[in-house]
Amino acid sequence: QQPVQSPQAVILREGEDAVINCSSSKALYSVHWYRQKHGEAPVFLMILLKGGEQKGHEKISASFNEKKQQSSLYLTASQLSYSGTYFCGTDPSGNDMRFGAGTRLTVKP
Amino acid sequence: GAGVSQSPSNKVTEKGKDVELRCDPISGHTALYWYRQSLGLGLEFLIYFQGNSAPDKSGLPSDRFSAERTGGSVSTLTIQRTQQEDSAVYLCASSPGGTLSYEQYFGPGTRLTVT
Repeated sequence: QQPVQSPQAVILREGEDAVINCSSSKALYSVHWYRQKHGEAPVFLMILLKGGEQKGHEKISASFNEKKQQSSLYLTASQLSYSGTYFCGTDPSGNDMRFGAGTRLTVKP
Repeated sequence: GAGVSQSPSNKVTEKGKDVELRCDPISGHTALYWYRQSLGLGLEFLIYFQGNSAPDKSGLPSDRFSAERTGGSVSTLTIQRTQQEDSAVYLCASSPGGTLSYEQYFGPGTRLTVT
């Protein structure tokens, strides 16, 4: 039930772009994205819902392909503050959450 | 404007002892989640509460783990007869609604070390 994330890790220079992918073997109600910095709790980035609705408050965009049960997170013009581990979460039953193993993003000056 | 709080922040216990971890969600949040994060690994779902009831307990690793929520607020995760493999950070999160269209707010976690 756990979604699969790729890549496992990525290293960027400031200003470069990155894409993080998340796929599930089950139909999804929604996809959540969170970022966790070392030693801190995960922080909400975005929710993508069936039907195209999105909720988020960061300058980060994402897509949700319901048919393919996939989501992608797009990080453009990356900043040093983007460094951290990104987790996607999926809710195949509509009642719980399963997170992927995470993608470690490092942005260097 | 308090966020989710968890106590204790750190807990060191001997193998075989019982431990209780506490979570205070944001006031008014009806949904509450427990996760476990082992060193360098992802977030493992443990249990979910909607109000005081737990529709999904499938994530609890063994019958040594139990959780309850009272008054639709505070939740306690209990681990009996702790084992070394229980060592991890235990995270609690709450959200305003019971559906997954709401974001989750995470607490700072409890770091459990079983010696």
